[in-house]
Amino acid sequence: QVQLQESGPGLVKPSETLSLTCNVSGGPISNYYLSWVRQPPGKGLEWIGSIYYSGTINYNPSLKSRVTMSVDMSNNVLSLRLTSVTAADTAVYYCAKDQTARLWGQGTLVTVSS
Amino acid sequence: QSVLSQPPSTSGTPGQTVVISCSGSSSNIGSNTVHWYQHLPGTAPKLLIHSTFARPSGVPARFSGSKSGTSASLTISGLQSEDEADYYCAAWDDTFNGYYVFGTGTKLTVI
Repeated sequence: QVQLQESGPGLVKPSETLSLTCNVSGGPISNYYLSWVRQPPGKGLEWIGSIYYSGTINYNPSLKSRVTMSVDMSNNVLSLRLTSVTAADTAVYYCAKDQTARLWGQGTLVTVSS
Repeated sequence: QSVLSQPPSTSGTPGQTVVISCSGSSSNIGSNTVHWYQHLPGTAPKLLIHSTFARPSGVPARFSGSKSGTSASLTISGLQSEDEADYYCAAWDDTFNGYYVFGTGTKLTVI
């Protein structure tokens, strides 16, 4: 049974870089795509991007210029970097299995504030 | 903003049937399968329907999905109090080298 757990700093300053990781257990991450999704407070879900271990990556066009996703296959870890953050990037960030998010982690709240 | 439109809210009484709509375009719903998620506050979203019609193991049969042209629907039959949640449709969009898009979300209240 695959399980996903997000982790990272809960507070990031404006203009800095948000960095999160997602630990995947229950199977090698080379078996499937992994995705990041976020939900700003009081708003809907927003897909950030997905990655396959082979290097195939798709990003949300509205975030593409600021987002980098990567995978560490030796440690079964998915990573997210989002640069030049603003208050609009405050959200609960989820990692999920597959491009269509069939299974989700519990999420981690990231607040952008000085 | 999302390219998939849903009504902001809907409601029903226990036992009723509720239909949640999702309107898209030829580049997303019109050419790809649709997925539905149930999101209870404070919990992780849960995949409810995948590939337009299919239910993952453990999802009750009273949840069903359909699609016609560039619109899709989620039908909940025999509404129960525990169905009160936010519901999101989603689909792959073929523009911009391809990306996944969620609907605007619908808040279901069980009266």
